[in-house]
Amino acid sequence: QVHLVQSGAEVRKPGASVKVSCETSGYSFTNYALHWVRQAPGQRPEWMGWISAGNGNPGYSQKFQGRVTITRDTSASTDYMELSSLRSEDTAVYYCARGGSGSYYNLLFDYWGQGTLVTVSS
Amino acid sequence: DIQVTQSPSSLSASVGDTVTITCRASQHISSYLNWYQQKPGKAPKLLIYAASSLQSGVPSRFRGSESGTDFTLTISSLQPEDFATYYCQHSYNIPPTFGQGTKVDVK
Repeated sequence: QVHLVQSGAEVRKPGASVKVSCETSGYSFTNYALHWVRQAPGQRPEWMGWISAGNGNPGYSQKFQGRVTITRDTSASTDYMELSSLRSEDTAVYYCARGGSGSYYNLLFDYWGQGTLVTVSS
Repeated sequence: DIQVTQSPSSLSASVGDTVTITCRASQHISSYLNWYQQKPGKAPKLLIYAASSLQSGVPSRFRGSESGTDFTLTISSLQPEDFATYYCQHSYNIPPTFGQGTKVDVK
Protein backbone atom coordinates (compact mmCIF):
# COMPACT_ATOMS: atom_id res chain seq x y z
CA GLN A 1 0.00 0.00 0.00
CA VAL A 2 1.31 3.42 -0.97
CA HIS A 3 1.98 5.81 1.92
CA LEU A 4 3.40 9.31 2.04
CA VAL A 5 4.07 10.56 5.57
CA GLN A 6 5.12 14.14 6.15
CA SER A 7 6.87 15.85 9.03
CA GLY A 8 4.93 17.85 11.59
CA ALA A 9 3.66 21.41 11.75
CA GLU A 10 6.18 24.24 11.86
CA VAL A 11 6.13 27.86 13.00
CA ARG A 12 8.68 30.27 11.60
CA LYS A 13 9.39 33.97 11.74
CA PRO A 14 9.50 36.05 8.56
CA GLY A 15 12.84 35.69 6.80
CA ALA A 16 13.51 32.21 8.16
CA SER A 17 13.55 28.90 6.29
CA VAL A 18 11.59 25.69 6.74
CA LYS A 19 12.30 22.14 5.60
CA VAL A 20 9.51 19.59 5.25
CA SER A 21 10.10 15.89 4.73
CA CYS A 22 8.00 13.29 2.93
CA GLU A 23 8.77 9.66 3.68
CA THR A 24 7.32 7.22 1.17
CA SER A 25 6.63 3.51 1.23
CA GLY A 26 4.76 0.84 -0.68
CA TYR A 27 6.12 1.52 -4.17
CA SER A 28 9.34 1.76 -6.15
CA PHE A 29 10.51 5.21 -5.06
CA THR A 30 12.68 6.14 -8.04
CA ASN A 31 10.11 5.03 -10.62
CA TYR A 32 7.71 7.86 -9.83
CA ALA A 33 7.92 11.61 -9.68
CA LEU A 34 7.20 13.31 -6.38
CA HIS A 35 5.63 16.76 -6.30
CA TRP A 36 5.19 19.51 -3.75
CA VAL A 37 1.89 21.38 -3.70
CA ARG A 38 0.84 24.02 -1.22
CA GLN A 39 -2.58 25.34 -0.27
CA ALA A 40 -3.08 28.63 1.52
CA PRO A 41 -6.21 28.98 3.67
CA GLY A 42 -9.32 29.08 1.49
CA GLN A 43 -7.27 28.94 -1.72
CA ARG A 44 -6.78 26.45 -4.52
CA PRO A 45 -3.77 24.12 -4.44
CA GLU A 46 -0.63 25.52 -6.03
CA TRP A 47 2.21 23.49 -7.56
CA MET A 48 5.67 24.35 -6.28
CA GLY A 49 7.99 21.84 -7.87
CA TRP A 50 8.97 18.21 -8.25
CA ILE A 51 11.62 15.59 -8.50
CA SER A 52 11.18 13.63 -11.69
CA ALA A 53 11.24 9.86 -11.96
CA GLY A 54 14.37 8.15 -13.15
CA ASN A 55 17.16 10.76 -13.10
CA GLY A 56 15.68 12.44 -10.02
CA ASN A 57 16.24 15.96 -11.31
CA PRO A 58 14.35 18.70 -9.51
CA GLY A 59 12.19 21.26 -11.28
CA TYR A 60 10.54 24.35 -9.82
CA SER A 61 7.68 26.69 -10.48
CA GLN A 62 8.95 30.08 -11.66
CA LYS A 63 7.01 31.63 -8.78
CA PHE A 64 9.24 29.90 -6.24
CA GLN A 65 12.49 29.73 -8.21
CA GLY A 66 15.37 30.79 -6.01
CA ARG A 67 13.46 30.23 -2.78
CA VAL A 68 12.61 26.52 -2.95
CA THR A 69 14.92 23.53 -2.96
CA ILE A 70 13.71 19.96 -3.35
CA THR A 71 16.10 17.13 -2.53
CA ARG A 72 15.95 13.37 -2.40
CA ASP A 73 17.42 10.72 -0.11
CA THR A 74 16.96 7.58 -2.16
CA SER A 75 18.29 5.33 0.62
CA ALA A 76 15.45 6.56 2.87
CA SER A 77 12.78 6.85 0.16
CA THR A 78 12.30 10.41 1.37
CA ASP A 79 12.07 13.76 -0.36
CA TYR A 80 12.56 17.13 1.25
CA MET A 81 11.25 20.59 0.38
CA GLU A 82 12.99 23.63 1.80
CA LEU A 83 11.49 27.10 1.42
CA SER A 84 13.56 30.12 2.38
CA SER A 85 12.98 33.84 2.95
CA LEU A 86 9.58 33.08 4.41
CA ARG A 87 6.88 35.73 4.52
CA SER A 88 3.40 35.75 5.96
CA GLU A 89 1.91 34.85 2.56
CA ASP A 90 3.73 31.51 2.77
CA THR A 91 1.44 30.39 5.58
CA ALA A 92 -0.16 27.29 4.09
CA VAL A 93 -0.50 23.55 4.21
CA TYR A 94 2.31 21.95 2.22
CA TYR A 95 1.67 18.59 0.60
CA CYS A 96 3.85 16.07 -1.11
CA ALA A 97 2.09 14.06 -3.79
CA ARG A 98 3.17 11.20 -6.02
CA GLY A 99 3.04 11.66 -9.76
CA GLY A 100 1.13 9.15 -11.84
CA SER A 101 2.75 6.24 -13.63
CA GLY A 102 4.56 6.98 -16.88
CA SER A 103 5.33 10.18 -18.71
CA TYR A 104 1.71 10.75 -19.75
CA TYR A 105 0.53 10.86 -16.18
CA ASN A 106 3.49 12.21 -14.23
CA LEU A 107 1.95 15.67 -13.72
CA LEU A 108 -1.14 14.35 -11.99
CA PHE A 109 -1.19 13.48 -8.29
CA ASP A 110 -2.46 10.05 -7.36
CA TYR A 111 -1.34 9.74 -3.73
CA TRP A 112 -0.88 12.56 -1.24
CA GLY A 113 0.79 13.06 2.09
CA GLN A 114 -1.29 14.22 5.02
CA GLY A 115 -0.03 17.79 4.73
CA THR A 116 2.24 19.95 6.89
CA LEU A 117 0.98 23.27 8.20
CA VAL A 118 3.64 25.96 8.03
CA THR A 119 2.78 29.15 9.86
CA VAL A 120 4.85 32.27 9.27
CA SER A 121 4.32 34.86 11.95
CA SER A 122 6.37 37.36 13.85
CA ASP B 1 0.93 29.26 -17.82
CA ILE B 2 -2.25 27.43 -18.81
CA GLN B 3 -5.26 28.57 -16.80
CA VAL B 4 -8.20 26.35 -15.96
CA THR B 5 -11.42 28.19 -15.15
CA GLN B 6 -13.91 26.27 -13.08
CA SER B 7 -17.62 26.95 -12.57
CA PRO B 8 -19.69 27.35 -10.55
CA SER B 9 -17.70 28.36 -7.47
CA SER B 10 -20.38 26.80 -5.30
CA LEU B 11 -23.63 24.95 -5.60
CA SER B 12 -26.28 23.58 -3.26
CA ALA B 13 -27.76 20.15 -3.81
CA SER B 14 -29.68 17.38 -2.12
CA VAL B 15 -28.90 13.71 -1.69
CA GLY B 16 -29.93 11.92 -4.87
CA ASP B 17 -29.40 14.94 -7.13
CA THR B 18 -27.17 14.96 -10.20
CA VAL B 19 -24.62 17.77 -10.17
CA THR B 20 -22.38 19.07 -12.94
CA ILE B 21 -19.15 21.05 -12.62
CA THR B 22 -17.31 22.47 -15.58
CA CYS B 23 -13.74 23.45 -16.27
CA ARG B 24 -12.41 25.35 -19.29
CA ALA B 25 -8.75 25.43 -20.26
CA SER B 26 -7.15 28.58 -21.66
CA GLN B 27 -5.63 26.58 -24.51
CA HIS B 28 -5.68 23.11 -25.99
CA ILE B 29 -4.66 20.50 -23.39
CA SER B 30 -5.80 17.32 -25.15
CA SER B 31 -7.22 15.09 -22.42
CA TYR B 32 -4.74 16.18 -19.74
CA LEU B 33 -7.42 17.14 -17.23
CA ASN B 34 -7.97 15.62 -13.81
CA TRP B 35 -10.56 16.01 -11.06
CA TYR B 36 -10.04 15.91 -7.30
CA GLN B 37 -12.29 15.90 -4.26
CA GLN B 38 -11.21 17.62 -1.07
CA LYS B 39 -12.84 17.50 2.33
CA PRO B 40 -12.00 19.97 5.12
CA GLY B 41 -8.63 19.30 6.71
CA LYS B 42 -7.77 16.56 4.23
CA ALA B 43 -5.57 16.25 1.19
CA PRO B 44 -7.21 16.27 -2.24
CA LYS B 45 -8.19 12.87 -3.59
CA LEU B 46 -7.87 11.96 -7.27
CA LEU B 47 -11.25 10.99 -8.76
CA ILE B 48 -10.89 11.22 -12.54
CA TYR B 49 -7.74 11.36 -14.67
CA ALA B 50 -7.19 11.93 -18.38
CA ALA B 51 -10.59 13.64 -18.58
CA SER B 52 -12.71 10.52 -18.28
CA SER B 53 -10.82 7.65 -16.61
CA LEU B 54 -12.06 6.65 -13.17
CA GLN B 55 -9.34 6.29 -10.54
CA SER B 56 -9.28 2.90 -8.86
CA GLY B 57 -11.69 2.66 -5.95
CA VAL B 58 -13.77 5.68 -6.95
CA PRO B 59 -17.53 5.02 -7.26
CA SER B 60 -18.97 4.89 -10.75
CA ARG B 61 -21.40 7.74 -9.99
CA PHE B 62 -18.46 10.05 -10.76
CA ARG B 63 -18.02 10.62 -14.48
CA GLY B 64 -15.77 12.89 -16.50
CA SER B 65 -16.21 14.05 -20.06
CA GLU B 66 -14.66 16.50 -22.50
CA SER B 67 -15.51 18.58 -25.51
CA GLY B 68 -12.62 20.52 -26.96
CA THR B 69 -11.22 22.67 -24.14
CA ASP B 70 -14.33 22.20 -21.98
CA PHE B 71 -14.40 19.47 -19.35
CA THR B 72 -17.22 18.29 -17.12
CA LEU B 73 -17.44 16.35 -13.88
CA THR B 74 -20.85 14.81 -13.28
CA ILE B 75 -21.87 13.25 -9.99
CA SER B 76 -25.00 11.14 -10.29
CA SER B 77 -27.22 10.29 -7.33
CA LEU B 78 -25.30 12.50 -4.91
CA GLN B 79 -24.44 10.73 -1.65
CA PRO B 80 -23.90 12.31 1.80
CA GLU B 81 -20.15 11.69 1.56
CA ASP B 82 -19.96 13.65 -1.71
CA PHE B 83 -20.46 17.06 -0.08
CA ALA B 84 -16.98 18.52 -0.52
CA THR B 85 -14.93 20.87 -2.69
CA TYR B 86 -13.96 19.72 -6.17
CA TYR B 87 -10.97 20.92 -8.19
CA CYS B 88 -9.96 20.40 -11.76
CA GLN B 89 -6.26 20.37 -12.65
CA HIS B 90 -4.46 20.27 -15.98
CA SER B 91 -1.42 18.05 -16.38
CA TYR B 92 -0.49 19.12 -19.92
CA ASN B 93 2.77 20.85 -19.06
CA ILE B 94 4.68 22.59 -16.31
CA PRO B 95 3.36 24.22 -14.25
CA PRO B 96 0.28 22.10 -13.66
CA THR B 97 -2.46 24.38 -12.35
CA PHE B 98 -5.76 23.95 -10.52
CA GLY B 99 -9.14 25.51 -11.02
CA GLN B 100 -10.50 27.72 -8.27
CA GLY B 101 -12.72 24.98 -6.88
CA THR B 102 -16.43 24.21 -6.58
CA LYS B 103 -17.91 23.75 -3.15
CA VAL B 104 -20.89 21.37 -3.12
CA ASP B 105 -23.00 21.86 -0.02
CA VAL B 106 -26.34 20.75 1.31
CA LYS B 107 -29.41 22.53 0.00
